[in-house]
Amino acid sequence: AQSVTQLGSHVSVSEGALVLLRCNYSSSVPPYLFWYVQYPNQGLQLLLKYTSAATLVKGINGFEAEFKKSETSFHLTKPSAHMSDAAEYFCAVSDDSGGSNYKLTFGKGTLLTVNP
Amino acid sequence: NAGVMQNPRHLVRRRGQEARLRCSPMKGHSHVYWYRQLPEEGLKFMVYLQKENIIDESGMPKERFSAEFPKEGPSILRIQQVVRGDSAAYFCASSPPPTDTQYFGPGTRLTVL
Repeated sequence: AQSVTQLGSHVSVSEGALVLLRCNYSSSVPPYLFWYVQYPNQGLQLLLKYTSAATLVKGINGFEAEFKKSETSFHLTKPSAHMSDAAEYFCAVSDDSGGSNYKLTFGKGTLLTVNP
Repeated sequence: NAGVMQNPRHLVRRRGQEARLRCSPMKGHSHVYWYRQLPEEGLKFMVYLQKENIIDESGMPKERFSAEFPKEGPSILRIQQVVRGDSAAYFCASSPPPTDTQYFGPGTRLTVL
């Protein structure tokens, strides 16, 4: 079975500092990987996705993530945090095997706090 | 283009009652997915539906839970005889082809007293 591990349920950074949210996955086949963001009382919004093209993926709001197969990682970064980035972030993987690539497996989420 | 709509946003039920959660997909989307998020957990896949068809219900509990997506109207997730362990956030997502990105609604927070 697939699994996604997000290291750190809560990350706190200062405004202007680097944001690094970690995600490791287990998958027996090359996966599709996603980062979603959830603002309070809102649905999950797609930040970016990796679908076996370029390993460095750029998303919305200045975020990017790098797929590293050797490390089975897909960490999310942003060079300079903004107060509006405070939210919960979810990493997810879908398995392309067996035609069930619609079935997303999510990590438990990382709550990002940005301090002024 | 309106996003995925879910209602109600919050639902309180007593043990033994029925809960009905509704999901209207984005315009033009004919594929709907339901996920459940238990406290302190990530979202877990429950079921995948197309219009009038259940494609994959491998994540649905075997009893008390059912889902439908009729030809007309929203998708419904129905939980009969709710128990406290059903308290969770239930998210609906939709997509055009199933290989495309899933767009999520705001969720329904179910509390069972």
